Amino acid sequence: SQQGEEDPQALSIQEGENATMNCSYKTSINNLQWHRQNSGRGLVHLILIRSNEREKHSGRLRVTLDTSKKSSSLLITASRAADTASYFCASYYGNNRLAFGKGNQVVVIP
Amino acid sequence: KAGVTQTPRYLIKTRGQQVTLSCSPISGHRSVSWYQQTPGQGLQFLFEYFSETQRNKGNFPGRFSGRQFSNSRSEMNVSTLELGDSALYLCASSLVAGGEKLFFGSGTQLSVL
Repeated sequence: SQQGEEDPQALSIQEGENATMNCSYKTSINNLQWHRQNSGRGLVHLILIRSNEREKHSGRLRVTLDTSKKSSSLLITASRAADTASYFCASYYGNNRLAFGKGNQVVVIP
Repeated sequence: KAGVTQTPRYLIKTRGQQVTLSCSPISGHRSVSWYQQTPGQGLQFLFEYFSETQRNKGNFPGRFSGRQFSNSRSEMNVSTLELGDSALYLCASSLVAGGEKLFFGSGTQLSVL
């Protein structure tokens, strides 16, 4: 099945720094979304970007989408210790099935 | 408004047994989808139910099944458990089928010994 692939897999940063994660996908998508997961718990929806959008902001989050390169990036600005989590990109394909990437583990050091 | 509730939170079973997991969606949500999360395979889609009908199914063997009740609550059943079924099982609810914004439960951690 098709899945997004995040890069890098693990990221360790100091509090206050920015964190950037990338995600690529293989075929056309309807939209792409990012989720956060803390310590193996449920996922929390962060932000969704549609295929006709190029950039979207939500608080300290910025998502970009490049459909020509089939890639997306998630930027977390001014990171906080509470941002320590795993971040997943996911996309709906034509049959309305949600496919997740492998995830990025982000550690924010206080 | 209560969130998505999954029970039980933890479960330990032995090979060959069967297990049933439960998911209560957010009130008013009619779609429930299930995902399996393992360290090796990541998050994989199992199936989605809407109005008591299965709309989509992932690439899992027939041992994995589910159903949805008239109150939108959903159950997932795994029969003849294998060691590889050990995983975190997550359910998510949304207002409509294929809903863009999913609300996830905390999951059921299943360990098969």
